[in-house]
Amino acid sequence: ETGVTQTPRHLVMGMTNKKSLKCEQHLGHNAMYWYKQSAKKPLELMFVYNFKEQTENNSVPSRFSPECPNSSHLFLHLHTLQPEDSALYLCASSQNPTGGLYEQYFGPGTRLTVT
Amino acid sequence: GDSVTQMEGPVTLSEEAFLTINCTYTATGYPSLFWYVQYPGEGLQLLLKATKADDKGSNKGFEATYRKETTSFHLEKGSVQVSDSAVYFCALPGAGGTSYGKLTFGQGTILTVHP
Repeated sequence: ETGVTQTPRHLVMGMTNKKSLKCEQHLGHNAMYWYKQSAKKPLELMFVYNFKEQTENNSVPSRFSPECPNSSHLFLHLHTLQPEDSALYLCASSQNPTGGLYEQYFGPGTRLTVT
Repeated sequence: GDSVTQMEGPVTLSEEAFLTINCTYTATGYPSLFWYVQYPGEGLQLLLKATKADDKGSNKGFEATYRKETTSFHLEKGSVQVSDSAVYFCALPGAGGTSYGKLTFGQGTILTVHP
């Protein structure tokens, strides 16, 4: 596999469930990102990890919990979500952003529906 | 703070028509500028970029010129194809410090091209 992969591609969960989204990059990058894409709203950056360290938490509610065990994998753990959390969740990766301006490569996203 | 404003969509064109999608930005200094494209069911891909004033980015027949005096980066294509149907995002990268790795996106413009 190449590029950035995300699983599952679609997820339906109840408000009391706990689930996790997975992202894997095969590009040798050091930085990984979670974005939320909602209808009629701009893409929102949620979290940034650089060399496995979280460098950005964009005021995301604690019901979203990221985990980055290594530079190739990124998880987003979900619990007690609300219907307004339904969205497309996109993962991206790039070279170390502090080293210059590098393109971000995006995965296809996980379409999340909270019922 | 940084912001990006794109023209409201959706935009519907016939094949071979001329395309313009407007993008203006507010930022400190003179940042690089990007256009990303999202085809149906896929993640975002970098379409083109410009790194300094008066630069012209181009790719797949699309062009955009970085206009410092009007703080604009409008996307153009002389003759669109059905395969260009997608969502187009103008984006502004963070300039440094705690902004490293942060992309600010416009709200996206949906383009539909009919045969």
